[in-house]
Amino acid sequence: AQTVTQSQPEMSVQEAETVTLSCTYDTSENNYYLFWYKQPPSRQMILVIRQEAYKQQNATENRFSVNFQKAAKSFSLKISDSQLGDTAMYFCAFRSGAGSYQLTFGKGTKLSVIP
Amino acid sequence: DSGVTQTPKHLITATGQRVTLRCSPRSGDLSVYWYQQSLDQGLQFLIQYYNGEERAKGNILERFSAQQFPDLHSELNLSSLELGDSALYFCASTLGLAEETQYFGPGTRLLVL
Repeated sequence: AQTVTQSQPEMSVQEAETVTLSCTYDTSENNYYLFWYKQPPSRQMILVIRQEAYKQQNATENRFSVNFQKAAKSFSLKISDSQLGDTAMYFCAFRSGAGSYQLTFGKGTKLSVIP
Repeated sequence: DSGVTQTPKHLITATGQRVTLRCSPRSGDLSVYWYQQSLDQGLQFLIQYYNGEERAKGNILERFSAQQFPDLHSELNLSSLELGDSALYFCASTLGLAEETQYFGPGTRLLVL
């Protein structure tokens, strides 16, 4: 079974600074998908960014980018120019490329952006 | 707004009771997933339906059951409730079976007293 590990339970960053959240995963598959979801205090789960394992290029979405290291099974999220609205729990998630399509989540990282 | 709706938003009930949580997927989406978010277990996959058929099961208790109706809305039934069932229950939907990105509803917060 796949596992997802987020080793940083809590992090903080100054507004306008850059922060990187770590995620590692374990799988024997070659084709899969990785996601970062954001859960603000409202508890809504919001997709931040996704990465296909077969793509070598790292995904970017505005101020959010990932560093995908397939061999190391590492998938970190970089948030640039941090804003107060980025304060939230961030979950890393894995989805198999075939067979079972559910998401396997890490435990989450609580990010606080400090004004 | 993801387009996925869930009702009710909050539910308070007593141990031993039975509740039903409802999910309406995004317009046109055929696949529905149910997840449970609790303090001790984190976010866990419960069950998936596709076009009315059960497709995958995760860590779903025997006291829990689900179904997807012809209009594609889904219901999660929780019975013989225990204190430990208190959690946030999410549903998510995708257009097809293999579509990668799941869009989550706002969740139903269940409190069992």
